[in-house]
Amino acid sequence: EAGVAQSPRYKIIEKRQSVAFWCNPISGHATLYWYQQILGQGPKLLIQFQNNGVVDDSQLPKDRFSAERLKGVDSTLKIQPAKLEDSAVYLCASSPWGASGSWVGELFFGEGSRLTVL
Amino acid sequence: AQTVTQSQPEMSVQEAETVTLSCTYDTSESNYYLFWYKQPPSRQMILVIRQEAYKQQNATENRFSVNFQKAAKSFSLKISDSQLGDTAMYFCASTNAGNMLTFGGGTRLMVKP
Repeated sequence: EAGVAQSPRYKIIEKRQSVAFWCNPISGHATLYWYQQILGQGPKLLIQFQNNGVVDDSQLPKDRFSAERLKGVDSTLKIQPAKLEDSAVYLCASSPWGASGSWVGELFFGEGSRLTVL
Repeated sequence: AQTVTQSQPEMSVQEAETVTLSCTYDTSESNYYLFWYKQPPSRQMILVIRQEAYKQQNATENRFSVNFQKAAKSFSLKISDSQLGDTAMYFCASTNAGNMLTFGGGTRLMVKP
């Protein structure tokens, strides 16, 4: 079974530029998460999708960050304009639901996209 | 809001010995999951062990076990017979009703030969 795919793995941009990250979750996983992990810290949830609907985006800086999940599969996270403090690893994770409709209780993570803002 | 606290930023252990990583959490949920995730250097995060709050029995996975103290909101991870491959960042996490994971700040574990 293929894992969660993310691209690009590394991106260096200057402040005020824009960047986009792509995530392809594990096939059939209904829930998709984007986390921001600043060096030396734990991941912080930015947005959670259930199929193609947003479950929680309360910690997403909406003035500069946007995310979408078209057709309930792939997702993109965009930052425009980037700030120095956006330097971090952006983690995508997906999670399945069981046949009974209950959450199976595990997130599967991609390798992350490392962003450096100069 | 949920909070997860890991009070040990760094720990080290000799190979083959046992180490315990601490975690406390705060939640208003009546049912929730608790997790320990492992993040090796420059590699993806993987699940180590999971505990459902309504289950009183502590979860175990081979060399990994937890001590779940629900009243104290404590969830520690014990690694027995530590191996060099256990060197990694370890994150404790808890869920809310919407299956959103909140992570702690992490504990960097170094296993020494």
